[in-house]
Amino acid sequence: GAGVSQSPSNKVTEKGKDVELRCDPISGHTALYWYRQSLGQGLEFLIYFQGNSAPDKSGLPSDRFSAERTGGSVSTLTIQRTQQEDSAVYLCASSLTGTGYGYTFGSGTRLTVV
Amino acid sequence: AQSVAQPEDQVNVAEGNPLTVKCTYSVSGNPYLFWYVQYPNRGLQFLLKYITGDNLVKGSYGFEAEFNKSQTSFHLKKPSALVSDSALYFCAVRDKSNTGKLIFGQGTTLQVKP
Repeated sequence: GAGVSQSPSNKVTEKGKDVELRCDPISGHTALYWYRQSLGQGLEFLIYFQGNSAPDKSGLPSDRFSAERTGGSVSTLTIQRTQQEDSAVYLCASSLTGTGYGYTFGSGTRLTVV
Repeated sequence: AQSVAQPEDQVNVAEGNPLTVKCTYSVSGNPYLFWYVQYPNRGLQFLLKYITGDNLVKGSYGFEAEFNKSQTSFHLKKPSALVSDSALYFCAVRDKSNTGKLIFGQGTTLQVKP
């Protein structure tokens, strides 16, 4: 597609439920990144994909968080047993290569855990 | 550890006046530095980057930034602010790992008053 697409744009969930956030990167971009933007804080790196593999998942805050990428394209970030502190905007970015420049960000998914 | 600091939570300027949004960094070796802008309910948009070469970097929407190695700074500037420049600005440095992930500052809200 023309840009990075994320869905849903907004998600309200009850504490303890699982959620899935989707990212559809720009076609041909091999690198894909997930970041989290919490209120009053900067962007926090979560995970990096190169193709379908995740050589850097050091930013995932707990084992409740997982992500996968299939076909070198769509990625899904899953949060199990959501907690209120998981409330944030989850941003996805893709890049032609994993060089750190040329990122294109999606508009994000705003997750609210009630 | 690598880090980026944006010392001001908010910067207020009058339309037509010059603006500066400050950023300092801490990284070993030569940094790759970036500025991104975030408009309400939108993803981050790339403004400019410094990789190497001329210390004064020109970017989108009339913005520029000056890389100062001795002061470890990369301040964002614009000679004449517009009301439409009001947004959240993030400075970032590329992590030294070979993943292309970015380390972001906390962000600075720019308010341009008419």
